Amino acid sequence: DVVMTQSPLSLPVTLGQPASISCRSSQSLVHSDGNTYLNWFQQRPGQSPRRLIYRVSNRDSGVPDRFSGSGSGTDFTLKISRVEAEDVGVYYCMQGTHWPRTFGQGTKVEIK
Amino acid sequence: QVQLVQSGSELKEPGASVKVSCKASGYTFTTYAITWVRQAPGQGLEWMGWINTNTGNPMYAQGFRGRFVFSLDTSVSTAYLEISSLTAAETAVYYCAKSTQCDNWGQGTLVTVSS
Repeated sequence: DVVMTQSPLSLPVTLGQPASISCRSSQSLVHSDGNTYLNWFQQRPGQSPRRLIYRVSNRDSGVPDRFSGSGSGTDFTLKISRVEAEDVGVYYCMQGTHWPRTFGQGTKVEIK
Repeated sequence: QVQLVQSGSELKEPGASVKVSCKASGYTFTTYAITWVRQAPGQGLEWMGWINTNTGNPMYAQGFRGRFVFSLDTSVSTAYLEISSLTAAETAVYYCAKSTQCDNWGQGTLVTVSS
């Protein structure tokens, strides 16, 4: 199975400051169709997960543009340009290229 | 808009079975797979598998073969997760999500296994 490794696992941030989460995969996530299926999810406290980013860098509908995704191959990053109070929660990456799908361990974002 | 509405919380005794439903609306049900994800208390997300809503063919992750069954009723746009011979280790929130890329999620169903 593809192992997804996130860092850091805990990320205290100051409101208005940027934040960055890394996600590394144990194998390349480039699919045979040429796409790279790397997704990012946000799970606010007490809520269901919500997909923020698909195929590395595409924002889902309604996702604020302060969220951005980048990367290629096995190395990916989620960035929040200016953290707001509503961004508190746990962020997960998930690879959607190989079977079985696999999630990262999660990164808990909290306000300092 | 796309919605996945799951059935309510369940409290079951060890050894019992439970069936969780996931009713989809806002899109053509048979166009996208349904994925199932487990989240144990205080833990991360665990991919359980998925079911092809066109063929009914399920695929299970390694740890979810045998006592876990995915099924469909396409006439009511609903997917089901049934778990038999429950143990305390199955106490978790179970989520359904649309497609193999999990683009929309249900609200989750808490299954508690306790005597």
